[in-house]
Amino acid sequence: DQQVKQNSPSLSVQEGRISILNCDYTNSMFDYFLWYKKYPAEGPTFLISISSIKDKNEDGRFTVFLNKSAKHLSLHIVPSQPGDSAVYFCAAPRGEAGANSKLTFGKGITLSVRP
Amino acid sequence: ETGVTQSPTHLIKTRGQQVTLRCSSQSGHNTVSWYQQALGQGPQFIFQYYREEENGRGNFPPRFSGLQFPNYSSELNVNALELDDSALYLCASSLDRGPYNEQFFGPGTRLTVL
Repeated sequence: DQQVKQNSPSLSVQEGRISILNCDYTNSMFDYFLWYKKYPAEGPTFLISISSIKDKNEDGRFTVFLNKSAKHLSLHIVPSQPGDSAVYFCAAPRGEAGANSKLTFGKGITLSVRP
Repeated sequence: ETGVTQSPTHLIKTRGQQVTLRCSSQSGHNTVSWYQQALGQGPQFIFQYYREEENGRGNFPPRFSGLQFPNYSSELNVNALELDDSALYLCASSLDRGPYNEQFFGPGTRLTVL
């Protein structure tokens, strides 16, 4: 049961252009969402988050948009840089009793930024 | 400030064997979570420890077990290894167990079961 879905396994963009990474979720209990970035041979690192009371959160070149009615969020990277090439995971913690910080991850999107 | 460290980096075992993976949490963090990342998949939650007690478990069989020590470091033990246990095992620590506490991941242990 894939509660967080990243349906596009990969994305390739030109340096300087916008990268848009999409994520869908099915669990209405999710009220907080995170994006993690992962380089090979490293653990995931936190990138940006958004609470369900907002529809947008911005941090430098990174913006996350949340559409609760569609159960959809997207990560925008503008402008994209070659160092952004990595696997990006969308994740949500479960807000229920017991391990309520358990993260449910999507399968990830491999972003390649071409110089 | 030292980040989350894991040992060993790589491990090769055969089916039926047992393995212990280790994790040192970030300084001041009392919560450790373990995740399994199979090839081409996102990390999947195994279990979480908070102040030396198990604080929730994912959909993994009992042969996956763990411990957390008084210094909040942690171990993941897997008995009777199966081929499907081949994966990257990630440990994450956080300041506390609440859902909005950022989780800091270690680099992982790559386990190969032959």
